[in-house]
Amino acid sequence: AQKITQTQPGMFVQEKEAVTLDCTYDTSDPSYGLFWYKQPSSGEMIFLIYQGSYDQQNATEGRYSLNFQKARKSANLVISASQLGDSAMYFCAYYRTGGFKTIFGAGTRLFVKA
Amino acid sequence: KAGVTQTPRYLIKTRGQQVTLSCSPISGHRSVSWYQQTPGQGLQFLFEYFSETQRNKGNFPGRFSGRQFSNSRSEMNVSTLELGDSALYLCASSLEGGPSSGYTFGSGTRLTVV
Repeated sequence: AQKITQTQPGMFVQEKEAVTLDCTYDTSDPSYGLFWYKQPSSGEMIFLIYQGSYDQQNATEGRYSLNFQKARKSANLVISASQLGDSAMYFCAYYRTGGFKTIFGAGTRLFVKA
Repeated sequence: KAGVTQTPRYLIKTRGQQVTLSCSPISGHRSVSWYQQTPGQGLQFLFEYFSETQRNKGNFPGRFSGRQFSNSRSEMNVSTLELGDSALYLCASSLEGGPSSGYTFGSGTRLTVV
């Protein structure tokens, strides 16, 4: 069975600095996708970035980039120039192509300090 | 465009009762997924529907059921409520249920069982 691991329960970062949130996964599926979502205190899940297992380049979306290392089965999220509004829970998620099911990691709570 | 709408936002029920939660996906989206989020278990997949058919189901007891209507709106039902069913229930919609089309989450229904 697939497994997603986020080893950092909480992280602190100074405003305007970059931060990396770790995510590793365990799978034998040949085709899959990896997501990162942000969940503010309001509860809504906000899609940040997606990486397909066959994508050759790392995904980027504005201040978010995904450091995808397929051989090491890691998909770390990098947030550049942190802002106070980035304080939230961040979830890494795995999707097996054709599985119609997304598995989420335990999440990392990010605190951005002024 | 309107987002994913979940109703009600908050609900308080008594143990043993049943409850029905509703999710209206983004117009044109045919896939609806449901998740349960608790502090102890995190985000867990409940089920996924596409064109009124359940395509996958998570590891939940039969007390949890769902359905999707021809207009893609979905409902989930929990019968014989237990205290442990207290959670945030999130619904997500997408065009076809795959990562290439992205997922949009609703704000959730917070269920409290007393």
